[in-house]
Amino acid sequence: KNQVEQSPQSLIILEGKNCTLQCNYTVSPFSNLRWYKQDTGRGPVSLTIMTFSENTKSNGRYTATLDADTKQSSLHITASQLSDSASYICVVSAQNAGNMLTFGGGTRLMVKP
Amino acid sequence: SAVISQKPSRDICQRGTSLTIQCQVDSQVTMMFWYRQQPGQSLTLIATANQGSEATYESGFVIDKFPISRPNLTFSTLTVSNMSPEDSSIYLCSVQGLAGSNEQFFGPGTRLTVL
Repeated sequence: KNQVEQSPQSLIILEGKNCTLQCNYTVSPFSNLRWYKQDTGRGPVSLTIMTFSENTKSNGRYTATLDADTKQSSLHITASQLSDSASYICVVSAQNAGNMLTFGGGTRLMVKP
Repeated sequence: SAVISQKPSRDICQRGTSLTIQCQVDSQVTMMFWYRQQPGQSLTLIATANQGSEATYESGFVIDKFPISRPNLTFSTLTVSNMSPEDSSIYLCSVQGLAGSNEQFFGPGTRLTVL
């Protein structure tokens, strides 16, 4: 069964600090992995999308890594800001699965001043 | 990216009534989907909205409860029928296939509370 697990479930950090969110998946055969940011009461917004051949991708202060061998991904946030407070969702797509996405449970990040 | 709008943005409804949610995209897209996000949970796919034909529903979701329309490549509706408090959720529209991209974009969501 395809699964995506994220850790931690929630995280509180001080403004300006860095943090790393983890994502482990069992989706096979792998197609791509996406990280989304979802502000409270809003729809998810894509941060990065990585295919099998990519092992790192950055979007401003967000850097995602992918290890397709161990089926792990991380999202690193540098110099956090109050506006980074949101849920971060890891989503994995399988090949030959139509458009089915497998969603992780998300990490709820709170950045405090 | 696509500009996706949903109406209403939120609603409070009585048990036993129905609500139709609209999703409008500013560009033609290949695929449109409807998701549900229950409080504190991640997203669950309800169905794929197919243009000009019946939607494709995921396990646990049926057409009688969640009828879906997609009359063209930029518009879809989801109806939540005979609502109960368990239907209180955020309902999100998403699209894929904009300019040939595989990227999936989400609408802002409709927050539904059923009393």
